[in-house]
Amino acid sequence: AQSVTQLGSHVSVSEGALVLLRCNYSSSVPPYLFWYVQYPNQGLQLLLKYTSAATLVKGINGFEAEFKKSETSFHLTKPSAHMSDAAEYFCAVSRGGGTSYGKLTFGQGTILTVHP
Amino acid sequence: ETGVTQSPTHLIKTRGQQVTLRCSSQSGHNTVSWYQQALGQGPQFIFQYYREEENGRGNFPPRFSGLQFPNYSSELNVNALELDDSALYLCASSLRADRPEQYFGPGTRLTVT
Repeated sequence: AQSVTQLGSHVSVSEGALVLLRCNYSSSVPPYLFWYVQYPNQGLQLLLKYTSAATLVKGINGFEAEFKKSETSFHLTKPSAHMSDAAEYFCAVSRGGGTSYGKLTFGQGTILTVHP
Repeated sequence: ETGVTQSPTHLIKTRGQQVTLRCSSQSGHNTVSWYQQALGQGPQFIFQYYREEENGRGNFPPRFSGLQFPNYSSELNVNALELDDSALYLCASSLRADRPEQYFGPGTRLTVT
């Protein structure tokens, strides 16, 4: 079974400050990990993915995440927040291998607020 | 390249009615997954279709059913609607069932009264 825990349902930062959104996962097999962003009344946009290659993954809009197996973590960071980063962010895990990728298990989400 | 599209955008139904939601996968993608996102929650996996067959199902009752067509578009059908079925329904497509990345459509907002 897989599960995802996002620490902090709300994170607030100032424009230009570091963004850190935390994600811990549980998986019985080597996982594939993802971060998605959701703007109000929209679907989910893929920010970045970890699929067992480099442990430091770079995504769109200046975001990156580091896979740490020893800590079972996949935290999302951005060095300098922009007002347009305000949205809800979801961490998700899927199992690797075969034709059973289909089920993405999501965390509860973290709402990021960016103050001027 | 056309992304994932869903229709309708919004709809309102009455408890006990039936509803059909539609999804067109991204160009070249043959796998479609459906998710339910209740207000304030993360999406929950309903099921996946690959080559017109169900390829995995989440913890949803049989009144949630689906189809995939030869052009890889898909339908989600929900019978005997309940108030708790009110949610955003998201469709996601992937290149193949053995590719983990999923690309989401804008969703259909269903309200059951």
